[in-house]
Amino acid sequence: NAGVTQTPKFQVLKTGQSMTLQCAQDMNHNSMYWYRQDPGMGLRLIYYSASEGTTDKGEVPNGYNVSRLNKREFSLRLESAAPSQTSVYFCASKELLWDNEQFFGPGTRLTVL
Amino acid sequence: EDKVVQSPLSLVVHEGDTVTLNCSYEVTNFRSLLWYKQEKKAPTFLFMLTSSGIEKKSGRLSSILDKKELFSILNITATQTGDSAIYLCAESRDDKIIFGKGTRLHILP
Repeated sequence: NAGVTQTPKFQVLKTGQSMTLQCAQDMNHNSMYWYRQDPGMGLRLIYYSASEGTTDKGEVPNGYNVSRLNKREFSLRLESAAPSQTSVYFCASKELLWDNEQFFGPGTRLTVL
Repeated sequence: EDKVVQSPLSLVVHEGDTVTLNCSYEVTNFRSLLWYKQEKKAPTFLFMLTSSGIEKKSGRLSSILDKKELFSILNITATQTGDSAIYLCAESRDDKIIFGKGTRLHILP
């Protein structure tokens, strides 16, 4: 099992460009999450999907959109990237919304110039 | 506002020292308290705590939860340079997991 995979690993964008971060899990988990991690800020929840077909805003959703394409895949889209979105993005999944342990992907390091 | 507060934010000690990391949380819809270790990449799971007063132990690491005072501590004894990392505390609620900012621990040889 690959667990949680993310692509790309690194990305550099110019202000105003758009891109989609991909996440997939092969553990048949129902819930999936997108976090961003900035120095001194810990992990902050952007969006999450409790189950296939549902998505909800987290702490910092502005400037992002998500799609739960199917049970395996949960993508994060930046429509018009801003320097403030420079961060490391982590995708995570867990079996059930109320299940306690999350499994994280390796992260995507995004720089917006 | 959702709050999980960790202290200290950073800590530098010498190899062999014992460290205690703190985490306080809020009670709304609480399910469990989680500790993670993060080195270069994604966090790795350490402990999940659901009951007060029961210590979880793994090698030199241990953790305990106080549900009355709403805090948890993570102890690391006989620290080694490989323990250098960011330690994240997270509160698992019914609908989401809220992370603290983390404690950056650096162990000097």
